[in-house]
Amino acid sequence: EIVLTQSPDTLSVSPGERATLSCRASQTVGNNYLAWYQQKPGQSPRLLVYGASTRANGIADRFSGSGSGADFTLTISGLGPEDSAMYYCQQYSSLPRTFGQGTKVEI
Amino acid sequence: EVQLVESGGGLVQPGGSLRLSCTAFGFNFYNYWVAWVRQAPGKGLEWVASIDPHGNDTHYVDSVQARFTLSRDYAERSLYLEMNNLRADDTAIYFCARDTFGVFDFWGQGTLVTVSS
Repeated sequence: EIVLTQSPDTLSVSPGERATLSCRASQTVGNNYLAWYQQKPGQSPRLLVYGASTRANGIADRFSGSGSGADFTLTISGLGPEDSAMYYCQQYSSLPRTFGQGTKVEI
Repeated sequence: EVQLVESGGGLVQPGGSLRLSCTAFGFNFYNYWVAWVRQAPGKGLEWVASIDPHGNDTHYVDSVQARFTLSRDYAERSLYLEMNNLRADDTAIYFCARDTFGVFDFWGQGTLVTVSS
């Protein structure tokens, strides 16, 4: 099983700043099959990025995914109050599908 | 518009059973894997199970293997999760999600399952 560890657990940033979220895997994520999701309180998760760096339909270009192998990053630029949420990474290169524990972004 | 609508959650005693349903709208149900992902209160996301487009291939997380069973009904455009021998640690919101090659690209609103005496 691939274990994903996200850091930091909580990130406090000011409006307009940039947030950098990390996701580290316990082993190489094959084909960079790594996705990122945003979940706001009381809502279901929303897909942001897949394939490590491809934005999902309708996702603003303020959200940018990067990385390869076992180290991945989600960068959110021009942060606004609407970006306050939990962010999860997920690998889909092998079973079981696994998620990181999440990073809480506070604006 | 893609929509997934879950139902069937509720309060059940330890050792009991429950059947969750998920009805799909807005996409060709015959062409996609579908999955269940759960979230315990105040916790993160955990993939539970996925079923292939033809209903022949299923995968489960180890903790539910032999207790949970996935099935799908094409006429009803629905996915079902039969949960048996429920435990307290199965308490969670259960989300249905479209599973596109392992990426959960659309999610339902979730249904709450509470296992307690």
